[in-house]
Amino acid sequence: AIQMTQSPSSLSASVGDRVTITCRASQDMRIDVSWYQQKPGEAPKVLIYAASSLQSGVPSRFSGSGSGTDFTLTINSLQPEDFATYYCLQDYNYPWTFGQGTKVEI
Amino acid sequence: EVQLEESGGGLVQRGGYVRLSCTASGFSFSSYWMSWVRQAPGKGLQWVANIKQDGSEKYYVDSVKGRFIISRDNAKNSVYLQMSGLSAADTAVYYCARARVVAREYYYYYMDVWGKGTAVTVSS
Repeated sequence: AIQMTQSPSSLSASVGDRVTITCRASQDMRIDVSWYQQKPGEAPKVLIYAASSLQSGVPSRFSGSGSGTDFTLTINSLQPEDFATYYCLQDYNYPWTFGQGTKVEI
Repeated sequence: EVQLEESGGGLVQRGGYVRLSCTASGFSFSSYWMSWVRQAPGKGLQWVANIKQDGSEKYYVDSVKGRFIISRDNAKNSVYLQMSGLSAADTAVYYCARARVVAREYYYYYMDVWGKGTAVTVSS
């Protein structure tokens, strides 16, 4: 199975900061990566698909980049509602695999 | 409104069986792949299974192969997860999700609609 190594596992940031989260895949996977946000007690919500496509309704401060093995989620000007846990997911082949998650804390 | 609602979770004995259901509304259910994703208490997300629109293709994470079965009934707008041989490692919130496909030079998948989840607790 493809391993998605996500880093950091947690970070502390302030409102207005720029935050970058990375996922490294154990093999080349084109751009078959999506990013999800999860708040405590809630279901995940998709932010980015196909590495860099912004899901409809998601604020433009969220962006994704990368291809091959290295992928990045960037949050520009962090807002209070962005404090959550973020996950990458590869759909390049089965079994689909998530990264371990990055908790973004105040 | 596009919605998914899971049901069927609860307390089940080790080695036991449970069937989860997920009912969809607000979209053309038969046009979408469907997924199950789980989250153990305090842990990250784990993809569990996928089923194609017509049920002809099914995929599972290795840890549930031979124990879990994903199925669907398009007439009832529902997808199911039959879980047997349960152990403590299967204790989790189970989410149903719609898997959307984007066709470009390749096919890209992502889960764009999620239910609120149903909790399964396996007791010894």
